[in-house]
Amino acid sequence: DIQMTQSPSSVSASVGDRVTITCRASHRISNWLAWYQLRPGKAPNLLIYGSSTLQSGVPSRFSGSGSGTDFTLTINNLQPEDFATYFCQQGSSFPLTFGGGTKVEIK
Amino acid sequence: QVQLVQSGFEVTKPGASVRVSCKTSGYTFTEYYIHWVRQAPGQGLEWVGRVNPLSGAANYAQQFQGRVSMTRDTSISTVYMELHSLTSDDTALFFCARHDLRLRMFDSWGQGTLVTVSS
Repeated sequence: DIQMTQSPSSVSASVGDRVTITCRASHRISNWLAWYQLRPGKAPNLLIYGSSTLQSGVPSRFSGSGSGTDFTLTINNLQPEDFATYFCQQGSSFPLTFGGGTKVEIK
Repeated sequence: QVQLVQSGFEVTKPGASVRVSCKTSGYTFTEYYIHWVRQAPGQGLEWVGRVNPLSGAANYAQQFQGRVSMTRDTSISTVYMELHSLTSDDTALFFCARHDLRLRMFDSWGQGTLVTVSS
């Protein structure tokens, strides 16, 4: 199985800040990497797929990069609605696996 | 628009089974696999398995093999996940999600169903 290691597990930030989350795969996964946002009581929301393609309707302050084993999600100009938990997910092989999550909290 | 609507909160006892449904709409049901993902309290996301709505064939994560089954009813565009021999470790939020096979991501999710296993 491909292990996805996500860091940090939590980060405190203020509105307007930039936040960077990293995800490392235990094997090369090309660019088969997606990022999701989870807020309590809501369905998970796809942000980025193919490592860097922004899902339709997602604000442009979200961006993704990386290939192979190392990936990054960046949130620029953090907004109040961005305080949530973020997960990466590899789509290279089954079983599909997720990172452990990063909780973005208000400083 | 694409919607996945899951059944409600379940409370059940150790050793019992639970069935969660995921009703889909807004697209051709047979064109996308539906997957199930579990989130235990304070934990990350864990892939449980998937079902092919066209054929009914299912694949499961190894740790759930033998006690999970995923089925579908094409007449009502609904997928079901049944988990047997429940323990307190199965207390979790279960999500169904539509998988885009070409882009290898989950583009729509259900709202989640909380399953609580307690004696």
